[in-house]
Amino acid sequence: DTEVTQTPKHLVMGMTNKKSLKCEQHMGHRAMYWYKQKAKKPPELMFVYSYEKLSINESVPSRFSPECPNSPLLNLHLHALQPEDSALYLCASSQEFWGQGNEKLFFGSGTQLSVL
Amino acid sequence: AQSVTQLDSQVPVFEEAPVELRCNYSSSVSVYLFWYVQYPNQGLQLLLKYLSGSTLVKGINGFEAEFNKSQTSFHLRKPSVHISDTAEYFCAVSRGSQGNLIFGKGTKLSVKP
Repeated sequence: DTEVTQTPKHLVMGMTNKKSLKCEQHMGHRAMYWYKQKAKKPPELMFVYSYEKLSINESVPSRFSPECPNSPLLNLHLHALQPEDSALYLCASSQEFWGQGNEKLFFGSGTQLSVL
Repeated sequence: AQSVTQLDSQVPVFEEAPVELRCNYSSSVSVYLFWYVQYPNQGLQLLLKYLSGSTLVKGINGFEAEFNKSQTSFHLRKPSVHISDTAEYFCAVSRGSQGNLIFGKGTKLSVKP
């Protein structure tokens, strides 16, 4: 199984809603990533977890709250988002984050988020 | 800091013609180099990567790329494209010590019959 599964595939939410994006992998990877991709733009890194600990936060606003309850699972909790947060949110995983094993990222298909 | 420049935002080409998608990078440290493909409404799929060793790297779907350290380039090539190659292609770089990728702005390859 070399898949990274993201749910839901599509999400529409209002600015006062609370929702969560979910990501799961069963490859035994210990590093997991959230990327944000606006239309016709490259993906931009948001967060990295390594061994269930937050290793990188790219100065993401607090209305995005990541969580890694255990290495196969990664969540992104959303609260009080703005319309400009509408984007494709991609999850990825790699065997490791630091050193050998970090050279191949597996990406999920993403969650297309629309904030009204 | 590392950065990636993809010189062409769009590349139209006819089916069965050769194609080259250009990528240049800048970094003060050793890096790994990658090409990813993204089909509409999908995530990213790794085409090929350069970590070390031979500068000519072969990937999936008939693509190859050549690492040129003196020109800091990692151009992607395919000798004969198919309609199904129509997609967005991203060049990316990572530091060897960390797994996070820095992407170029992407090149949209459009293959016409």
